[in-house]
Amino acid sequence: KQEVTQIPAALSVPEGENLVLNCSFTDSAIYNLQWFRQDPGKGLTSLLLIQSSQREQTSGRLNASLDKSSGRSTLYIAASQPGDSATYLCAVKGTGANSKLTFGKGITLSVRP
Amino acid sequence: EPEVTQTPSHQVTQMGQEVILRCVPISNHLYFYWYRQILGQKVEFLVSFYNNEISEKSEIFDDQFSVERPDGSNFTLKIRSTKLEDSAMYFCASSDSRTNTEAFFGQGTRLTVV
Repeated sequence: KQEVTQIPAALSVPEGENLVLNCSFTDSAIYNLQWFRQDPGKGLTSLLLIQSSQREQTSGRLNASLDKSSGRSTLYIAASQPGDSATYLCAVKGTGANSKLTFGKGITLSVRP
Repeated sequence: EPEVTQTPSHQVTQMGQEVILRCVPISNHLYFYWYRQILGQKVEFLVSFYNNEISEKSEIFDDQFSVERPDGSNFTLKIRSTKLEDSAMYFCASSDSRTNTEAFFGQGTRLTVV
């Protein structure tokens, strides 16, 4: 059974800092990995999708990497801003295009002005 | 930009009542999902739906739950005889497996059972 872990549960950084959010998963047989952002009481906004054959994806100040063999992914946020404050969720899709996503509990990020 | 739409945004219901949560997936998507998130816990999978039938369901998705795609646009989750522990945020998601299978989520329906 796939398990996804995100540590720490919460992180507080000053504005402008570059930071790395970690995600680990137990079963390396995945179809893809997706990073989401969730604001309090809101839905999930997809940030980046990495296919199992890829090593990284970039979007603006965000860069996500995937090391499938070691069961790890990182989300790198450059020059953090107060508007980046949110919970960041990592989710892996099982083998097959229709497979479910298994989520981590998320990392709640607070960027201090 | 296309988006997944869920209604209502918040539903309060009495224990034992039936509720229907509604979703309009992105129009050219083929795969549909329901997830839920109990306050303070992980987002957890309930059910996936493709070609007018359930393709996978979790242990949570027992006889109390059902899904339906009544027409070409709506996708519904019915919860019969609601319990207090059904209180959660319910998310609908869709993906287009012909491209990159990225899952797009709706804003969720907060269900409160009293």
